[in-house]
Amino acid sequence: NAGVTQTPKFRILKIGQSMTLQCTQDMNHNYMYWYRQDPGMGLKLIYYSVGAGITDKGEVPNGYNVSRSTTEDFPLRLELAAPSQTSVYFCASLFAPGQATNQPQHFGDGTRLSIL
Amino acid sequence: GESVGLHLPTLSVQEGDNSIINCAYSNSASDYFIWYKQESGKGPQFIIDIRSNMDKRQGQRVTVLLNKTVKHLSLQIAATQPGDSAVYFCAERVRGGYNKLIFGAGTRLAVHP
Repeated sequence: NAGVTQTPKFRILKIGQSMTLQCTQDMNHNYMYWYRQDPGMGLKLIYYSVGAGITDKGEVPNGYNVSRSTTEDFPLRLELAAPSQTSVYFCASLFAPGQATNQPQHFGDGTRLSIL
Repeated sequence: GESVGLHLPTLSVQEGDNSIINCAYSNSASDYFIWYKQESGKGPQFIIDIRSNMDKRQGQRVTVLLNKTVKHLSLQIAATQPGDSAVYFCAERVRGGYNKLIFGAGTRLAVHP
């Protein structure tokens, strides 16, 4: 198993451009999450999904959109890139048969995004 | 590990010493806690976890202690090695929240030979 795979690893965008960060997992996990990590800080939740077709906002959703059309893929979309969205983005997944499963989330290696 | 913005708190230890990394969590309703290790350029990697009905759990060279009275979590690493150098995060799961995690700001562990 490859685990959680994120692409691209690095990207530079101009203000106002749009892009999609890709995340795919091959572990048949139902829950998936997107986080951002600013320098010297912990991770903050952007969006999450409990299964295909179901998504919900996290702590910092403004400026982002997500979709979950398959179990494997959970892309994150930036429509109008702003300098405040310069960050490292992490995708994570988890198999949870219920709302409270005592298992850790599995993380990808991140996408480093700079907006100039 | 309190958040200090751009400058992570750093714990410097000698190789072979024991390390203790601390974390204050925020929510008394949290029922599950995880420690992650993050190396430069990588995603967080699971180290050890503990449920709220426990106060101690041991793994290989690592021990997590949970004190619910003061909402405090600690990670103890025995015989610290250079490969342990990384940023360590604690994360808490609030009960009933679709397994969402709240992360602390992190502590950098620097191991010197």
